[in-house]
Amino acid sequence: AQSVTQLGSHVSVSEGALVLLRCNYSSSVPPYLFWYVQYPNQGLQLLLKYTSAATLVKGINGFEAEFKKSETSFHLTKPSAHMSDAAEYFCAVSVNTGNQFYFGTGTSLTVIP
Amino acid sequence: GAGVSQTPSNKVTEKGKYVELRCDPISGHTALYWYRQSLGQGPEFLIYFQGTGAADDSGLPNDRFFAVRPEGSVSTLKIQRTERGDSAVYLCASSLTSLDTQYFGPGTRLTVL
Repeated sequence: AQSVTQLGSHVSVSEGALVLLRCNYSSSVPPYLFWYVQYPNQGLQLLLKYTSAATLVKGINGFEAEFKKSETSFHLTKPSAHMSDAAEYFCAVSVNTGNQFYFGTGTSLTVIP
Repeated sequence: GAGVSQTPSNKVTEKGKYVELRCDPISGHTALYWYRQSLGQGPEFLIYFQGTGAADDSGLPNDRFFAVRPEGSVSTLKIQRTERGDSAVYLCASSLTSLDTQYFGPGTRLTVL
């Protein structure tokens, strides 16, 4: 079975500070991993995805995530937070069949000016 | 081009009533997913279509829920004998094929009184 755990339902950072959103997964087979962002009153949007190529994945808006198999983690980072990054972030896992996607409970990011 | 659209955007119904929620995927996308998102939770997988057939319906909570995609494009999620616990935002996503980037619609907020 697959599952995703996002540590910290709410994260606050100062504008210009490092953003770190944590995601740990469990999967009985090599996973595909995703980060999605949901801005207020908008639909989910893909930030980046890991599909067994390079372990460091770069996404949109300056975000990146590193797949660490030994730690079963896929944490999302951005070197310098911007006010426009304030949103809800979801980590998701899928197995190679692509049938089912399991989402975490989300982390709400607040950026303090 | 047009993204994934969902209608209605909001639906209020009474306990015991029947509802239909519609999803128009991006043209040419063969994979279509339905999710349910309750307050404070991540999207929960319901069903996955590949073309016209339901390739995986293991996420449907019970037999009150049913979905169709008769021509491999538009999909309808049908809920019979609605219960208050069905209240949630129902999300639809489509992708070119499974494991390609999923594009989400804005969702339908269902409220069962």
